[in-house]
Amino acid sequence: EAGVAQSPRYKIIEKRQSVAFWCNPISGHATLYWYQQILGQGPKLLIQFQNNGVVDDSQLPKDRFSAERLKGVDSTLKIQPAKLEDSAVYLCASSSRDRAQNIQYFGAGTRLSVL
Amino acid sequence: LAKTTQPISMDSYEGQEVNITCSHNNIATNDYITWYQQFPSQGPRFIIQGYKTKVTNEVASLFIPADRKSSTLSLPRVSLSDTAVYYCLVVGMDTGRRALTFGSGTRLQVQP
Repeated sequence: EAGVAQSPRYKIIEKRQSVAFWCNPISGHATLYWYQQILGQGPKLLIQFQNNGVVDDSQLPKDRFSAERLKGVDSTLKIQPAKLEDSAVYLCASSSRDRAQNIQYFGAGTRLSVL
Repeated sequence: LAKTTQPISMDSYEGQEVNITCSHNNIATNDYITWYQQFPSQGPRFIIQGYKTKVTNEVASLFIPADRKSSTLSLPRVSLSDTAVYYCLVVGMDTGRRALTFGSGTRLQVQP
C-alpha cells in the first residue's frame, strides 16, 4: 500500500513569510498527526485529527499555526508568519484508529528553514 | 508536560546485543509503549509495541516491568544498518490530560 505522502520535501522562507505543508495519509486511516521535529530532538505533537475533528491541539502555537483536514483525508499545516525558531522538520503520520496502541506511519517530512 | 527520558547515545559493535531504556514515570494506565527507528532524512518507522511483560518480534524484544514506568528495547546481534536514532513513544498523563510524548531519542552507532 502507498505510504504517507508529504510535500514539499524542502522549503526555505524568510521570517514573517507564510508557508503551507500538505499531507496525504494512508488510505482509510482515520487518525492524522502533525509533528514538529527540531534538529536533535524527538518529534513533538502539534495536532491530532480523528477524521476531520481535532482530538488534541494543545501544543499548537495557535497565534501563528493552523491546520485543517477537510473531508477527513488530506491535511494542510500553515505557519503565518514564520519565525526563526520554526526551522524544523514537519512530520505527518497516520494510524487506523484513535488509540495509542495503533501504529503510526510517518511520511518523510518537510524540512523548513526560516532565514 | 509528560516526561520521557532516554540516554542520548550508545555505541556498539556488530553482532552485539543492544539494550536501550526509556523511563516514563507518568504513563497512562491503559496505553501501550511503542518504539520507533529513524534514519536521517526519513520519518520514524515502527519497531515494536507492548503493554506489559515481554514482547518479541522478528527484529527486537521489548521488556516492560510491572510498574510500567520504564521499558527496554533489546536489539539482538546488531549490524551496521541498525545505526539510527531510536525513540520511545508513550501516552503520558499531564494535568489529567492524555498526551502523546516521544522520548528525546537515543543515537545508536554500530561499529564494524
